[in-house]
Amino acid sequence: GAGVSQSPSNKVTEKGKDVELRCDPISGHTALYWYRQSLGQGLEFLIYFQGNSAPDKSGLPSDRFSAERTGGSVSTLTIQRTQQEDSAVYLCASSDNGLAEAFFGQGTRLTVV
Amino acid sequence: QKEVEQNSGPLSVPEGAIASLNCTYSDRGSQSFFWYRQYSGKSPELIMSIYSNGDKEDGRFTAQLNKASQYVSLLIRDSQPSDSATYLCAVRTGGGNKLTFGTGTQLKVEL
Repeated sequence: GAGVSQSPSNKVTEKGKDVELRCDPISGHTALYWYRQSLGQGLEFLIYFQGNSAPDKSGLPSDRFSAERTGGSVSTLTIQRTQQEDSAVYLCASSDNGLAEAFFGQGTRLTVV
Repeated sequence: QKEVEQNSGPLSVPEGAIASLNCTYSDRGSQSFFWYRQYSGKSPELIMSIYSNGDKEDGRFTAQLNKASQYVSLLIRDSQPSDSATYLCAVRTGGGNKLTFGTGTQLKVEL
């Protein structure tokens, strides 16, 4: 596609439910990143995929969070047993390689009620 | 020490003035540096990338990099009200080139 696509744009879920957020990177981009941005805060790194290398999961805040990237393209971020503090905008970005510029999707606004 | 540090601001400049935004980073081995602009409620938008020491100009924007001082800056000439946004500095850090962001500097361009 022309840009990074994220779905859904908005998600409201009940506390304790599981959610899946999807990211479709720019075609051919080998690197994919997930960040979280709480209201009025900076970007919090979650996870980074680079080609076939093992992902850098050092930013995942708890074992309720996981992500996978199938076939080196689409990525899914899964949050299990959601909590109110998980409410944030989840941003995905992709880049051509591990050194090039990264481009962001429009984000998924997650609200846990 | 944070990996990427920015002054949170707000930085207020009058219309037409030069806005100067600064960023320091801790990983001396970092090779790639980026500035993003983020409007309220929107996702970050890439403005500039810089990889070598010195200045890089693109229109009204100039990025400056000093690897010895571990310092990168963004100058915005002829600032416009539409430049009012949060500016994020990003640096590739660590052996795996993870992209790490500063907390951002809020810029306000006043009429």
